[in-house]
Amino acid sequence: KQEVTQIPAALSVPEGENLVLNCSFTDSAIYNLQWFRQDPGKGLTSLLLIQSSQREQTSGRLNASLDKSSGRSTLYIAASQPGDSATYLCAVKSGGNMLTFGGGTRLMVKP
Amino acid sequence: EPEVTQTPSHQVTQMGQEVILRCVPISNHLYFYWYRQILGQKVEFLVSFYNNEISEKSEIFDDQFSVERPDGSNFTLKIRSTKLEDSAMYFCASSVLGGQEGLYGYTFGSGTRLTVV
Repeated sequence: KQEVTQIPAALSVPEGENLVLNCSFTDSAIYNLQWFRQDPGKGLTSLLLIQSSQREQTSGRLNASLDKSSGRSTLYIAASQPGDSATYLCAVKSGGNMLTFGGGTRLMVKP
Repeated sequence: EPEVTQTPSHQVTQMGQEVILRCVPISNHLYFYWYRQILGQKVEFLVSFYNNEISEKSEIFDDQFSVERPDGSNFTLKIRSTKLEDSAMYFCASSVLGGQEGLYGYTFGSGTRLTVV
């Protein structure tokens, strides 16, 4: 059974810092990995999708990498801003039609 | 950008009552899903739906739950007799393709917060 873990659970940084969020998964036989953003009490906004054959994806200040063999992904946020404050979730698709989610990293960027 | 639309955004119901949560998936998507997130816990898969039938369901999705696509646009989740532990945020999602492929991701709606009292 696929298990997804995100470290750290919470992170507080000053504005302008570059930061890395980590996601690990136990079964490397995945089809893709998706990073989401969740604001308090709100829905899930897709940030980046990495297919299993890809090593990384970039969108603006966000860069996500995937190392399938070691069961890891990282989300790099450059020059963080207060508006980046949210919970970041990673989810993997491995077998069937379901996504398995990590517990999220709650990010606070202080002005 | 196309969106998945969910209604209502918040529903309060009494224990034992039936509730129906509604979703309008993206029009050209073929796979539809329900997930839930109990406060403070991980997002959990409930069910996937394709070609007018359930393609996969989790252990959570017991006989109290059902899904339906009553017309060409709506996708609903019914909980027959709600319990206190059904209180959660329920997310609908859709994807272009499903199964054993990884080309496309999932688009989630903004959720329905269900509170059972």
